[in-house]
Amino acid sequence: DAMVIQNPRYQVTQFGKPVTLSCSQTLNHNVMYWYQQKSSQAPKLLFHYYDKDFNNEADTPDNFQSRRPNTSFCFLDIRSPGLGDAAMYLCATSSGQGIRETQYFGPGTRLLVL
Amino acid sequence: RKEVEQDPGPFNVPEGATVAFNCTYSNSASQSFFWYRQDCRKEPKLLMSVYSSGNEDGRFTAQLNRASQYISLLIRDSKLSDSATYLCPNTGNQFYFGTGTSLTVIP
Repeated sequence: DAMVIQNPRYQVTQFGKPVTLSCSQTLNHNVMYWYQQKSSQAPKLLFHYYDKDFNNEADTPDNFQSRRPNTSFCFLDIRSPGLGDAAMYLCATSSGQGIRETQYFGPGTRLLVL
Repeated sequence: RKEVEQDPGPFNVPEGATVAFNCTYSNSASQSFFWYRQDCRKEPKLLMSVYSSGNEDGRFTAQLNRASQYISLLIRDSKLSDSATYLCPNTGNQFYFGTGTSLTVIP
């Protein structure tokens, strides 16, 4: 089935140790998004790619970077994780960037920072 | 200023009850609207799109009130499986989510 896949589902890292989360999609969608969701809070958009065009949200910390080597894959790199970065990280896709486009979410990666 | 305002609840309703909640949006340019549901520790999943004329999908009815800038979700004959957080993203080119409304259906 076509879907958005995130690996790993759970990731434990140490304070300050770089970590990479991955997302892949079989939907062939142009747009891929990364969200951060902390407990009892709304998903917060970090950035998105429209094809290879990277769009950063103004309040996304520099500690968060992203790569999209091809249509199917997108990575979230956290260069120096802090305790406050522990959260669920959600990847989503949409077929376009238009205002009527639905977003499809992956199952998320839950990050724990020790 | 928040893009989306939702009553966080929690709404605790008995099985079989009808429940409704609203989502107020601030971006008057928003053209499309959605309701997502998010189960505990899971990802948001599209419940339904909200059309200008309103739309119904089984026990779920969504309405749009452009003049007052809110959308509503009505759930009839609540089931235990309806327990979730309901999200309505404010849409422009991107989704900006509110904290959602928590619904618990009680046996």
